[in-house]
Amino acid sequence: AQSVTQLDSQVPVFEEAPVELRCNYSSSVSVYLFWYVQYPNQGLQLLLKYLSGSTLVKGINGFEAEFNKSQTSFHLRKPSVHISDTAEYFCAVIPDSGAGSYQLTFGKGTKLSVIP
Amino acid sequence: KAGVTQTPRYLIKTRGQQVTLSCSPISGHRSVSWYQQTPGQGLQFLFEYFSETQRNKGNFPGRFSGRQFSNSRSEMNVSTLELGDSALYLCASSDGLPGLYEQFFGPGTRLTVL
Repeated sequence: AQSVTQLDSQVPVFEEAPVELRCNYSSSVSVYLFWYVQYPNQGLQLLLKYLSGSTLVKGINGFEAEFNKSQTSFHLRKPSVHISDTAEYFCAVIPDSGAGSYQLTFGKGTKLSVIP
Repeated sequence: KAGVTQTPRYLIKTRGQQVTLSCSPISGHRSVSWYQQTPGQGLQFLFEYFSETQRNKGNFPGRFSGRQFSNSRSEMNVSTLELGDSALYLCASSDGLPGLYEQFFGPGTRLTVL
């Protein structure tokens, strides 16, 4: 089974400041890693994903994440946030296709509040 | 392409009733997954269908069921509703194996059980 821990439930940050949202995972098999964003009253939108290859992954809206296998982490970063980044962010994992299970396991989410 | 659509968007039911939620995936997508989102438990996987077959099921009681039709549209049903079933129910579709292929989420159906 897999589990995902998002270490901060809420992160306030001033506009144009950098931000890091932390995510750690636990799994007995290889996994794919994802970050999703949810704006109020909307579904989830994929920000970025790590399947294989370069450990630094760039996504939409200026976000990037780095996969660290030894620390089982996949932290999300943005060098300069905007008011429009205010949303809830979810880290998720899914076993790779060899494990036969196709369900996303999500963290509890981190609410990012950008302060003007 | 049109995105994933879910109907209805909002629903109010009373305890003991049953409810059916509908999801229309993106055209051409054959995989549909359902998730329950609550403030306490977060996002939890319900089940996943591919070409009308349930491939995966989460840890929910038998009151929660689903099906997928030949056109890939999916429904989920909750019988004998309980207060704790109040949640946002999200549907996601992909054109292949979730994980390798991006899952696109609908806006959700917000169910309130009184």
